[in-house]
Amino acid sequence: AAGVIQSPRHLIKEKRETATLKCYPIPRHDTVYWYQQGPGQDPQFLISFYEKMQSDKGSIPDRFSAQQFSDYHSELNMSSLELGDSALYFCASSSPSPGIAFFGQGTRLTVV
Amino acid sequence: DAKTTQPPSMDCAEGRAANLPCNHSTISGNEYVYWYRQIHSQGPQYIIHGLKNNETNEMASLIITEDRKSSTLILPHATLRDTAVYYCIVRAPNAGGTSYGKLTFGQGTILTVHP
Repeated sequence: AAGVIQSPRHLIKEKRETATLKCYPIPRHDTVYWYQQGPGQDPQFLISFYEKMQSDKGSIPDRFSAQQFSDYHSELNMSSLELGDSALYFCASSSPSPGIAFFGQGTRLTVV
Repeated sequence: DAKTTQPPSMDCAEGRAANLPCNHSTISGNEYVYWYRQIHSQGPQYIIHGLKNNETNEMASLIITEDRKSSTLILPHATLRDTAVYYCIVRAPNAGGTSYGKLTFGQGTILTVHP
């Protein structure tokens, strides 16, 4: 079965650089979620989109932005990267019913 | 979303049943109970969910108390590959039921299955 695809799987950036993470949801899923997981921490919700509109917002820094495109893929843009942004970033998607969210394998971002 | 409470860690012998408890005493009537697990640095994996009836699938069983204030995830025959962090999450559909809200991960249970 098709799963949530995230790219790239690994990314190394320098401080103050910009990074773009991509997420391709499972076909016919209408909601996308982004999560950040720091070392030894639980996943923290960043932002979500339902039918290409932002539906909820968590503790996402102002330096981060995201959008969902017409083909339902989503991108998380991160600017002025800081060392503390080093983390695993997960994307998940869910269908209208029963709303089970499935996660991708994540992007490991390392800021040096 | 209602808050959940889980023990920080549990051990289980391989081949035995693993019973993971979760308290969600403030759960609302329309909130479902979801269980996910995360194997080291992989994406969280959906296991099972339920509203008020007990549920079973190929991975596990979910037992929800009649008052819905607590639940237990049962892995009937634990294997070494079941070693993971297990998260119990309560979640409601958004208003109008047209989409589902975020999953809020709290402190899960680190399950260690040993030979």
